[in-house]
Amino acid sequence: AQTVTQSQPEMSVQEAETVTLSCTYDTSESNYYLFWYKQPPSRQMILVIRQEAYKQQNATENRFSVNFQKAAKSFSLKISDSQLGDTAMYFCAFMKSYTGANSKLTFGKGITLSVRP
Amino acid sequence: EAQVTQNPRYLITVTGKKLTVTCSQNMNHEYMSWYRQDPGLGLRQIYYSMNVEVTDKGDVPEGYKVSRKEKRNFPLILESPSPNQTSLYFCASSLFPGGVSYEQYFGPGTRLTVT
Repeated sequence: AQTVTQSQPEMSVQEAETVTLSCTYDTSESNYYLFWYKQPPSRQMILVIRQEAYKQQNATENRFSVNFQKAAKSFSLKISDSQLGDTAMYFCAFMKSYTGANSKLTFGKGITLSVRP
Repeated sequence: EAQVTQNPRYLITVTGKKLTVTCSQNMNHEYMSWYRQDPGLGLRQIYYSMNVEVTDKGDVPEGYKVSRKEKRNFPLILESPSPNQTSLYFCASSLFPGGVSYEQYFGPGTRLTVT
């Protein structure tokens, strides 16, 4: 079974600064995907960024980037130039990658990020 | 607009009164799934469906039922709700299970309170 660990329950960052959210996972699978989801107060689950495990290059999406360390099973999210709209709960998630398999997302507990004006 | 819809968005009910939370997607997705979100636990999968008439248990299926009679709909049924089913529920769908089309689209969530 897979596990995803987010050990920091809360973080705070000043607007325009950079913050890194940590995530570690445990799996015996060789093919998988990793995701970061954002959940603002509206409760909607929004996909922020995804990483295919077979790709060595770290994914980036505008102000969001990841540091994927496959051997260490670490998948951190860096948010640059933090904005007030980044205030939300962030979930790290894992999914096995096999065609026809249950597309179950295994989530961490989440981290509440507050961006201070 | 491509979307996953859930109804109701909020529901307060009493122990033992059967209820159904509907989920519908307009993207012709094969795969659909239900999650519950609880503080300190993240989201956990309740049931999933690989295709019409094909459903299976996720990690926390006790007290829930599902059906998939049509491709677009995947209702979650609580036959006899109990207070420990008070939670935030999400429906999700993706084009195919696993593999290539892995991006999942989430519904807006249903806040259920069982008293």
